[in-house]
Amino acid sequence: DAGVIQSPRHEVTEMGQEVTLRCKPISGHDYLFWYRQTMMRGLELLIYFNNNVPIDDSGMPEDRFSAKMPNASFSTLKIQPSEPRDSAVYFCASSPGTLAGYTGETQYFGPGTRLLVL
Amino acid sequence: QKEVEQNSGPLSVPEGAIASLNCTYSDRGSQSFFWYRQYSGKSPELIMFIYSNGDKEDGRFTAQLNKASQYVSLLIRDSQPSDSATYLCAVKDSNYQLIWGAGTKLIIKP
Repeated sequence: DAGVIQSPRHEVTEMGQEVTLRCKPISGHDYLFWYRQTMMRGLELLIYFNNNVPIDDSGMPEDRFSAKMPNASFSTLKIQPSEPRDSAVYFCASSPGTLAGYTGETQYFGPGTRLLVL
Repeated sequence: QKEVEQNSGPLSVPEGAIASLNCTYSDRGSQSFFWYRQYSGKSPELIMFIYSNGDKEDGRFTAQLNKASQYVSLLIRDSQPSDSATYLCAVKDSNYQLIWGAGTKLIIKP
């Protein structure tokens, strides 16, 4: 299995531009998570999906952020307009889920997208 | 606000010694507990999970859970330089949400 695939791996953009991050989860996984990681705040959950449906987006910082999962094999996280404080590493993770739990158990992370907003 | 607390470190341990990483959590109803390792510039990867009180061993790694004290730890025996990384504790709380700690940076000195 190729694992979770994210693109691009690096993104440098200017303030005010739209940024789109992409993720392909592991085939057969029911859950998909978007995280942001910075030195100051650590790993933060932004939003997660179960069977392509957004379940909890309470971690999305503001309306500039949006996420979609049009099918089981693809998700996007969009920032419009981007700001310098959005600079971070964005991880996508997927999980096979569990019968007992509301969220996935073991999460498999993609390599991340390093975003720098100038 | 449910919390997972870890000492940020860095924790410095000589090669061959036992490294002990600790994590406390605030939600007494938490159900399952995970340790992830993250090398610098890489993504987190799962090392171990534990659900029941007591110890769980996997090779050089032992996870210890004490629900009464709301405490979970990770022991690494015979520490190697390749164990140098940040270790993230994650806890699935009573609402089935995964809460992450800030991580402990571990440095194994040759």
